[in-house]
Amino acid sequence: DAGVTQSPTHLIKTRGQQVTLRCSPKSGHDTVSWYQQALGQGPQFIFQYYEEEERQRGNFPDRFSGHQFPNYSSELNVNALLLGDSALYLCASRSRQLAGVTGANEQFFGPGTRLTVL
Amino acid sequence: AQSVTQLGSHVSVSEGALVLLRCNYSSSVPPYLFWYVQYPNQGLQLLLKYTSAATLVKGINDFEAEFKKSETSFHLTKPSAHMSDAAEYFCAVGGYSSASKIIFGSGTRLSIRP
Repeated sequence: DAGVTQSPTHLIKTRGQQVTLRCSPKSGHDTVSWYQQALGQGPQFIFQYYEEEERQRGNFPDRFSGHQFPNYSSELNVNALLLGDSALYLCASRSRQLAGVTGANEQFFGPGTRLTVL
Repeated sequence: AQSVTQLGSHVSVSEGALVLLRCNYSSSVPPYLFWYVQYPNQGLQLLLKYTSAATLVKGINDFEAEFKKSETSFHLTKPSAHMSDAAEYFCAVGGYSSASKIIFGSGTRLSIRP
């Protein structure tokens, strides 16, 4: 059973460019959340997708947008990159149905995409 | 609103010594609480979780944590540290709803001295 996968592993961009990061959830999971982890800090919630719609959003500007596909995979897009966007971007998945049955609200995380903005 | 405070950004213990990483939470609803570990250049791995079934929660690699509502704490312990335990540890809080986001603390870096 493959866990959460993310691509690419590393990415280098310059200021002002746009970037797309991809995530495939763990098998059986339907909900995807994205987090930004700056160096030396804990992950910060960006947004959550299920049923192909953004359901919750953290304190991030509109430059951060996303999408969820019918197969539950997801993309994170960041426009007009800033130096401060350099971070590890983590994708996490969970099963809403399973959470409702077992009460287990845990998320499973992917290895992340390391984005460097120069 | 929910939040997590991890006390001590860096903890250093000797190999074989007790590990204690402190976490206090704030939540207006009964919380789910988690401890995650992150090894260098890797994602987050769940160590253990509290979901109201039992206040003492056992996780992987002999880690455990005790939920204390009166102290709003969820400290992580391990009786005997191993060199392989060196990593970054994150305490996190979430709600009961399957749609709840998870709020992370700022992390504690655990170093193990030979």
